[in-house]
Amino acid sequence: EIVLTQSPATLSLSPGERATLSCRASQSVSSYLGWYQQKPGQAPRLLIYDASKRATGIPARFSGSGSGTDLTLTISSLEPEDFAVYYCQQRNSWPLTFGQGTRLQIK
Amino acid sequence: EVQLVESGGGLVQPGGSLRLSCVVSGFTFSNYEMNWVRQAPGKGLEWVSYISNSGNSIHYADSVKGRFTISRDNAKNSLYLQMNSLTAEDTAVYYCARVLGQQWLYFDYWGQGTLVTVSS
Repeated sequence: EIVLTQSPATLSLSPGERATLSCRASQSVSSYLGWYQQKPGQAPRLLIYDASKRATGIPARFSGSGSGTDLTLTISSLEPEDFAVYYCQQRNSWPLTFGQGTRLQIK
Repeated sequence: EVQLVESGGGLVQPGGSLRLSCVVSGFTFSNYEMNWVRQAPGKGLEWVSYISNSGNSIHYADSVKGRFTISRDNAKNSLYLQMNSLTAEDTAVYYCARVLGQQWLYFDYWGQGTLVTVSS
């Protein structure tokens, strides 16, 4: 099983700042990694798939990068609606696995 | 508009069984692979099970293998999860989730979730 470790667990930033979230895999996932955003009481929303492809309707301020074992989600300039929990998920091998999440909170 | 609506959650005693359903609309169900994903209260996401569009390929998380059974009825636009031998660790909101595309095993549409509580 591929274990995904996200860091930091909590990130405190202000609107307008740049956010960098990390997802480290216990073995290579190639580029087969996605990112989700989840707000309280809501289902997750797919943001990025295959490491760097934006899902339909996702703003350009969200970008993904990396491959292998170190992948990153970057939010270039935080909007108030971006404060949420973010999860990475790999599809490289069964079982599909998620990271434990990074909580992005307002500073 | 794509919609996924889960039902069947509730309170069940340890060792009991429950069957979840997910009815979909707004897309051609038979063309899409589907999954169940769960989230324990205050915790992260856990993938539970996958089924191919035809139902011929199925995968489970180790934590539910041998206890849960995923199935689908393409004629009824419905996905199911039969859950047996439930324990407190199965307490969670269960989401059905559509796969983005063939072999793109990411989840682009989700239901609102149904809460399963295992407790005596």
